[in-house]
Amino acid sequence: AQKVTQAQTEISVVEKEDVTLDCVYETRDTTYYLFWYKQPPSGELVFLIRRNSFDEQNEISGRYSWNFQKSTSSFNFTITASQVVDSAVYFCALSEARYGNKLVFGAGTILRVKS
Amino acid sequence: GAVVSQHPSRVICKSGTSVKIECRSLDFQATTMFWYRQFPKQSLMLMATSNEGSKATYEQGVEKDKFLINHASLTLSTLTVTSAHPEDSSFYICSAREGQPNTGELFFGEGSRLTVL
Repeated sequence: AQKVTQAQTEISVVEKEDVTLDCVYETRDTTYYLFWYKQPPSGELVFLIRRNSFDEQNEISGRYSWNFQKSTSSFNFTITASQVVDSAVYFCALSEARYGNKLVFGAGTILRVKS
Repeated sequence: GAVVSQHPSRVICKSGTSVKIECRSLDFQATTMFWYRQFPKQSLMLMATSNEGSKATYEQGVEKDKFLINHASLTLSTLTVTSAHPEDSSFYICSAREGQPNTGELFFGEGSRLTVL
């Protein structure tokens, strides 16, 4: 069973628009971590956020914000006032204590921000 | 902050040769490292978990004899693609965990792009 679902394969927006990337996860663990990574065209993975299952507080970091809702098993990522440099592939990932905390990635969402 | 370095970043080899990719944790000791593979326009798939001083744990469907993993020290894990073929061409990314197994932070290397001709 797929554990991390990123239903949006590709999103295109115009600069300055807000955009939300969806992530739905599946786990039977009570202790788990959720992550978001950015992968620009150069290929390296850029860590954006890690959230543990006991912390449901939403987080804001500059233009980035994350909405963690255990009731819907979702961990959505919003970019406010998008910029061309935000263009990248964004991966949501899950690690579960029972599986040694190895990361399972979603399929990724390609974000294209046009000027 | 902690850094994980991979070498080489790009490698081109002929079919049938073996290629070694190194993953180093530069300023922390990593008892556990992970190797991922990413095909073009696809997600990262975990290949194996590399444990210092013991055998690697491979994910289902990954050939152990094809992808040899050695974690000889707390700062170095190597992935050797043996008798490489064009279908092995991919982007290989390692990650290393700093600190405790269940709570330690995970850091990724820059990735190594393998092209087999």
